[in-house]
Amino acid sequence: GENVEQHPSTLSVQEGDSAVIKCTYSDSASNYFPWYKQELGKRPQLIIDIRSNVGEKKDQRIAVTLNKTAKHFSLHITETQPEDSAVYFCAASLDSNYQLIWGAGTKLIIKP
Amino acid sequence: KAGVTQTPRYLIKTRGQQVTLSCSPISGHRSVSWYQQTPGQGLQFLFEYFSETQRNKGNFPGRFSGRQFSNSRSEMNVSTLELGDSALYLCASSTSGMTYNEQFFGPGTRLTVL
Repeated sequence: GENVEQHPSTLSVQEGDSAVIKCTYSDSASNYFPWYKQELGKRPQLIIDIRSNVGEKKDQRIAVTLNKTAKHFSLHITETQPEDSAVYFCAASLDSNYQLIWGAGTKLIIKP
Repeated sequence: KAGVTQTPRYLIKTRGQQVTLSCSPISGHRSVSWYQQTPGQGLQFLFEYFSETQRNKGNFPGRFSGRQFSNSRSEMNVSTLELGDSALYLCASSTSGMTYNEQFFGPGTRLTVL
């Protein structure tokens, strides 16, 4: 079955710098890769997703890149701000499936 | 539209007891998924229901069970509680349950087992 590994588990960056979180997946058939953000004490929310027929997707300061050959995808946050502090989860799945396989999460700390 | 709601928000139980958690999805959403969240373990998938049918189940013991009603509300039950069951239990609803549909999470139920 699918397995998703997420690194790093904690990432601390200076405000204004960029942050990159990487996930690798095992099932080459997976074709849907969402990212969820969970702020402290709040519920996870979808921030961006990508399908395997696309190599990159951007939404303002957030971007996701996908390398199907290497079976990894990454979340890029540019010009980080204090409100970016949160735990970020990646996931992978077949888009026809009913279950997302989740990474363990990355705690992003933005230092002032 | 009202968001996903979960009740109760907090529960304290003792080992050996059982507990029932409730989740009301967003109106019109027919899929409800349940997750266990513990520090450092991320989101562990419990099960997914659609139109009162369990379509998928994670790797949890049989003490964890669930059901969905005709109005799409869902309950999960944990019997013979163990200390290790202490966690935040999240439910998420989506329109069809297909993974490309955004999952909308509830606030969670914090379960503490003493």
